[in-house]
Amino acid sequence: AQSVTQLGSHVSVSEGALVLLRCNYSSSVPPYLFWYVQYPNQGLQLLLKYTSAATLVKGINGFEAEFKKSETSFHLTKPSAHMSDAAEYFCAVRGGYGGATNKLIFGTGTLLAVQP
Amino acid sequence: DTAVSQTPKYLVTQMGNDKSIKCEQNLGHDTMYWYKQDSKKFLKIMFSYNNKELIINETVPNRFSPKSPDKAHLNLHINSLELGDSAVYFCASSHFGTGQETQYFGPGTRLLVL
Repeated sequence: AQSVTQLGSHVSVSEGALVLLRCNYSSSVPPYLFWYVQYPNQGLQLLLKYTSAATLVKGINGFEAEFKKSETSFHLTKPSAHMSDAAEYFCAVRGGYGGATNKLIFGTGTLLAVQP
Repeated sequence: DTAVSQTPKYLVTQMGNDKSIKCEQNLGHDTMYWYKQDSKKFLKIMFSYNNKELIINETVPNRFSPKSPDKAHLNLHINSLELGDSAVYFCASSHFGTGQETQYFGPGTRLLVL
C-alpha cells in the first residue's frame, strides 16, 4: 500500500537559514512523489515532483528535493528561508497502478514557520 | 483566468440540510477530483472522474454524490449534512495518465455544519 510519512508537524527556522522538511514513503510500485505547498486559506500548489528521471529535482521558489531509494526518502530543502516561505507543506505519492494511479496519497503536512 | 475554480468559497449550513459545491476547470484536462481536508489539515481523496466517468470512489458515505456533466465540470452534492462533514473540500484536475501528471487544485470550499 502507498503511504507517506512527514516527520515533524511543525518546523521553525530563522530567515536565511536552511529549510529541511522530511518525507519518507512506502510504495509497492515505482513511486512518483510530489511536494505541494498550501498558503493560508488557499489551495495547493505544486512545488516539484519526482517521476523517475533525475533524482535531484528542482522546483519553484528555490526549493529542491532528492529522491533516495535506499532511504525511501524525498526530503525538501531550500538553502535560505524567506519570510514568504511560511506555509503548510505536503508530500504525496501516487496511489498505485490501475484505477489508483491518478490519486494522490498525502502526508499529514508540515507547517513551516520562518522567524525574522 | 482562474484555472480551477470552486463555488461557493464558504458554506455555512445547518445539520440535515442538502448542499452542493461546484467546480470548473479551464485547463483542458480530462480528469477531475474531489479531496477533503479535515480540521487537522489531512487531505484525502474522495472521488475522481475521467471523461465524465467515475474512476475513483473511496470509502465515502453515500450521502456524498459527485456528478460530472462534462469534462470541465465536477460537482459535489451532499445530502443530510452532519457535523463531521465540516471540512475544506478541494477540487483538482489533471490529464489522465501514468500518475506523473500534476494535479491543479482549486481554492477550496470551506464547509461549516452547525
